[in-house]
Amino acid sequence: KAGVTQTPRYLIKTRGQQVTLSCSPISGHRSVSWYQQTPGQGLQFLFEYFSETQRNKGNFPGRFSGRQFSNSRSEMNVSTLELGDSALYLCASGTGPSTDTQYFGPGTRLTVL
Amino acid sequence: GQQLNQSPQSMFIQEGEDVSMNCTSSSIFNTWLWYKQEPGEGPVLLIALYKAGELTSNGRLTAQFGITRKDSFLNISASIPSDVGIYFCAGQTSGTYKYIFGTGTRLKVLA
Repeated sequence: KAGVTQTPRYLIKTRGQQVTLSCSPISGHRSVSWYQQTPGQGLQFLFEYFSETQRNKGNFPGRFSGRQFSNSRSEMNVSTLELGDSALYLCASGTGPSTDTQYFGPGTRLTVL
Repeated sequence: GQQLNQSPQSMFIQEGEDVSMNCTSSSIFNTWLWYKQEPGEGPVLLIALYKAGELTSNGRLTAQFGITRKDSFLNISASIPSDVGIYFCAGQTSGTYKYIFGTGTRLKVLA
């Protein structure tokens, strides 16, 4: 079974731009969670989707948004990028609905200049 | 954001030694997960724990779900160089659909 895939793997943007990251969960998994990982803050929860519905959201500004499609693929968008948004963005999939076990993708490394 | 207290922060050990690390929380969790992350990669799931008191092994790794449901432990026996990485715990409270992650334990193994 293929694992969680994330695209792109690396991205360089400048301040003020926006970015969209994509995540395809493990086949059959319906839950997708997004995390931001930085050296200073560690792994921070962004949001979680199950069956196209956002069930939980972390403490991030409204510039961070996401969605999930009917095939369980998910995207997250960051608008008006700031330098502090530079991070590894990780997606994790789970069978749901209780999200009891999560499997991570390789991440997208976003650098904001 | 919320984080679990994970200790130690880092460890330098000799190959063949055993390793212990733990996570503690002020909240009660119904699931604990342990991950290993290597540079440039996403965390890889090592062990999942679902019941208080549960003890689960995966090869040389053993993890336990604390009786109080506020802590968890990971032990690595007879460490080898490929054990190098950052180990994270993650806990989930019932009905929240999200995990809180520990701060990580950076493990270095000296051959």
